[in-house]
Amino acid sequence: QKEVEQDPGPLSVPEGAIVSLNCTYSNSAFQYFMWYRQYSRKGPELLMYTYSSGNKEDGRFTAQVDKSSKYISLFIRDSQPSDSATYLCAMSVGGYNKLIFGAGTRLAVHP
Amino acid sequence: SQTIHQWPATLVQPVGSPLSLECTVEGTSNPNLYWYRQAAGRGLQLLFYSVGIGQISSEVPQNLSASRPQDRQFILSSKKLLLSDSGFYLCAWDRGRETQYFGPGTRLLVL
Repeated sequence: QKEVEQDPGPLSVPEGAIVSLNCTYSNSAFQYFMWYRQYSRKGPELLMYTYSSGNKEDGRFTAQVDKSSKYISLFIRDSQPSDSATYLCAMSVGGYNKLIFGAGTRLAVHP
Repeated sequence: SQTIHQWPATLVQPVGSPLSLECTVEGTSNPNLYWYRQAAGRGLQLLFYSVGIGQISSEVPQNLSASRPQDRQFILSSKKLLLSDSGFYLCAWDRGRETQYFGPGTRLLVL
């Protein structure tokens, strides 16, 4: 079993839809959770970062962590074609900061 | 602000040839540096990390090596490339906090 599981998609939605992206993990020691966005042929860019459980909102993006269920989510409201990218979840236990990545979910938002 | 550079952006090399990929970080000192490989449609695999000049840790045994000759310079090398070395190589940095920042990547095709 992989430490971090992420549905690779692809996920295709119409413009304006609410998108839900998810990851599950097995290591209960993870405390730091990140979402990266990666456009085709580009390096990943940090989108959201959360510590421990709870929600964090930044504009149209909301990151949610449920440590009891070992489940994290990224919600995108009012999705735009420019949101079309691969979304990678990542997490770590802290300290030395070795990040464990999911395989990434490819999202396509069509006009 | 901090900036991370990678070059070349794209590289096509024959099997058995040597490899040298370079990564430099600007705007920070004493960063932790990382090399990842991303195969098509897959997540990021950590190859090497470095916490200081001359200090290299390898995550997986392979045909590649890394060096850190200067504080903000990280080099990925191979003496003889294999077909399986093809992929998207990403350099990343952090300052010991919980998030990493990625460079633009180098796309390597071994023929």
